[in-house]
Amino acid sequence: SQKIEQNSEALNIQEGKTATLTCNYTNYSPAYLQWYRQDPGRGPVFLLLIRENEKEKRKERLKVTFDTTLKQSLFHITASQPADSATYLCATNPANTGTASKLTFGTGTRLQVTL
Amino acid sequence: SAVISQKPSRDICQRGTSLTIQCQVDSQVTMMFWYRQQPGQSLTLIATANQGSEATYESGFVIDKFPISRPNLTFSTLTVSNMSPEDSSIYLCSVEGVAGGTYNEQFFGPGTRLTVL
Repeated sequence: SQKIEQNSEALNIQEGKTATLTCNYTNYSPAYLQWYRQDPGRGPVFLLLIRENEKEKRKERLKVTFDTTLKQSLFHITASQPADSATYLCATNPANTGTASKLTFGTGTRLQVTL
Repeated sequence: SAVISQKPSRDICQRGTSLTIQCQVDSQVTMMFWYRQQPGQSLTLIATANQGSEATYESGFVIDKFPISRPNLTFSTLTVSNMSPEDSSIYLCSVEGVAGGTYNEQFFGPGTRLTVL
């Protein structure tokens, strides 16, 4: 069955460094991947969407890549700040849903940026 | 974008009782989604609620346990019935953005934190 996997271990980095989070998927080919940020006690907030025919997408300090060969998406935060500390979720459409909006989420990776 | 509110924000309930969660959106939307996020877990889709038709449930979720109403294009409710401690979770509703294109982001409500004793 299709699976989305993120590193469940927290990622601890120093302020100013680049944080890189990984999302791997197996057993299907999603049309797109989305990345969300979730703070404790709040709902996820959309950050970026990348389509299967796109290699890279940028938004301010954020960059997402999509490698359909490796079946992997990488999410980068450059010049990280303590305010970037949160859990980051990747999500994608289940297989064969066309334009349907249902999302399958990974388990999320918690990022902690320290001074 | 869409602004979504949920009520209640949290509740503590006794086993065997039911709780109805409300979701209000500030714009008209076709589909509303209900997710569950169990402690330490990611979001799992419970059902999709369309106005004017029965909700569509995902595998592992049934209408008797999670009845959903969708009386209009801006409002939906999810009821967690005959609760047990295993239902302790955060319940979130979401809607799809209308920015155009085939694939759109989703906007989530703040969630309802449910604890069942």
